[in-house]
Amino acid sequence: AQKITQTQPGMFVQEKEAVTLDCTYDTSDQSYGLFWYKQPSSGEMIFLIYQGSYDEQNATEGRYSLNFQKARKSANLVISASQLGDSAMYFCAMRESNTGNQFYFGTGTSLTVIP
Amino acid sequence: EPEVTQTPSHQVTQMGQEVILRCVPISNHLYFYWYRQILGQKVEFLVSFYNNEISEKSEIFDDQFSVERPDGSNFTLKIRSTKLEDSAMYFCASSNWEVPTGELFFGEGSRLTVL
Repeated sequence: AQKITQTQPGMFVQEKEAVTLDCTYDTSDQSYGLFWYKQPSSGEMIFLIYQGSYDEQNATEGRYSLNFQKARKSANLVISASQLGDSAMYFCAMRESNTGNQFYFGTGTSLTVIP
Repeated sequence: EPEVTQTPSHQVTQMGQEVILRCVPISNHLYFYWYRQILGQKVEFLVSFYNNEISEKSEIFDDQFSVERPDGSNFTLKIRSTKLEDSAMYFCASSNWEVPTGELFFGEGSRLTVL
C-alpha cells in the first residue's frame, strides 16, 4: 500500500484565491510527522510546513495551513491568497517513528496559478 | 542560513562509467539521505545514513550504489557502472532529529544524464 497518496496530479487556481491540495497517508504508527514541500521549476525542494501526529492544532505558516484530520488520515495543504509564484509541484511526505529516518513522498500535485 | 550543498549540479556520463555525487550536509545534522527524482516523477528514497553506516536502503539501492562519509563533512553517492535508467535528479538531504520537526533539508540536486 502507498504510504502517501496525492490524488490530484494537476490543479489550477485563480490568483488571490485559496486552494486545497489533498494528501492522505497510511500508517499504523502512533507517532509520525507530516510535511509539505514545494518544488518550483528550478528543481529545489523547499520545506513549507510540518504537522506532528500529536499536535492538536492545525499547523500554519504564513499563507500555508495544514488541514489535519487524524481519523481520516488526511493532511491537506491549504494555500490562501494564491500568488503567481506559488505555481510549482507540491509534495506531501511522512516520517514514521518506527522506520526511523525514512521519509515517504507522494507523487506530487502540480499547481498552476492563473493571473 | 545553513544549507545542504551538492556538486556537481549537472553531470553527463557515458553508460557504464562510474559517477560520484558529492554533498555537504548541514554541519550539526546527524542523518543523511539520498533521494532521486526521474524527470516529472515522484521523489524516491535511495538510502539513509546515520552514525557512519547505512541505516536503511530501498530496492533501488542495489550493488551498483554505495555511499560514504569519508571525512566527517562530505557525504558521497557512488554509482559504479551507470545505466540509462540512472538518469535523474539526485537530491542529498540531511535532518536533525533533535528538533521537533526534524524536517529534511534538501540540497539543490545533481542532475545526472547517462548517454
